[in-house]
Amino acid sequence: AQSVAQPEDQVNVAEGNPLTVKCTYSVSGNPYLFWYVQYPNRGLQFLLKYITGDNLVKGSYGFEAEFNKSQTSFHLKKPSALVSDSALYFCAVREPPNTGFQKLVFGTGTRLLVSP
Amino acid sequence: SAVISQKPSRDICQRGTSLTIQCQVDSQVTMMFWYRQQPGQSLTLIATANQGSEATYESGFVIDKFPISRPNLTFSTLTVSNMSPEDSSIYLCSVAVQNYGYTFGSGTRLTVV
Repeated sequence: AQSVAQPEDQVNVAEGNPLTVKCTYSVSGNPYLFWYVQYPNRGLQFLLKYITGDNLVKGSYGFEAEFNKSQTSFHLKKPSALVSDSALYFCAVREPPNTGFQKLVFGTGTRLLVSP
Repeated sequence: SAVISQKPSRDICQRGTSLTIQCQVDSQVTMMFWYRQQPGQSLTLIATANQGSEATYESGFVIDKFPISRPNLTFSTLTVSNMSPEDSSIYLCSVAVQNYGYTFGSGTRLTVV
């Protein structure tokens, strides 16, 4: 069964500094990887996904993520953090379509706090 | 990408009662998913709902507690039955969209008192 680990409960960064939110995964076959953000009292918003192709994926709001197969990682990055990026970030994985399973499995989430 | 309208956005319910949550999608979708997010926790899949068939429940979730309906390709309901304070959570529906994406409803924040 697929699984996702987000080793940091919280990441603190100063505005303007680069940020990284870590994610590692375990899945049979090629992974389909996702990042979502959740703001208070709101649903999940899609940031980006990796299905295949270039290991560096660019997404919404200036975020990007790097897929590293050898390290089974999919870390979320942003070159310059904004206070408005403060939110809860979830990494998620699903198995490839040929397995017949479509469910998304989420990590425990990482709270990002960007200080002014 | 699909847009989901989820109702209600929040509710406070008495223990022992039931609440039905609705999700309406603006396009036809094959698979719909229902998740629970307990306070301070991650999202846990409750069940997968396909139109015209019984929902498939994940380990730890049963139909008697969380009955699901999927009458057509744009609508689904999740009922939280015989509620207790432990059911206080955010409940979210989700659909699989093209290019292997997923869209989520805005969630229902349930408090059981």
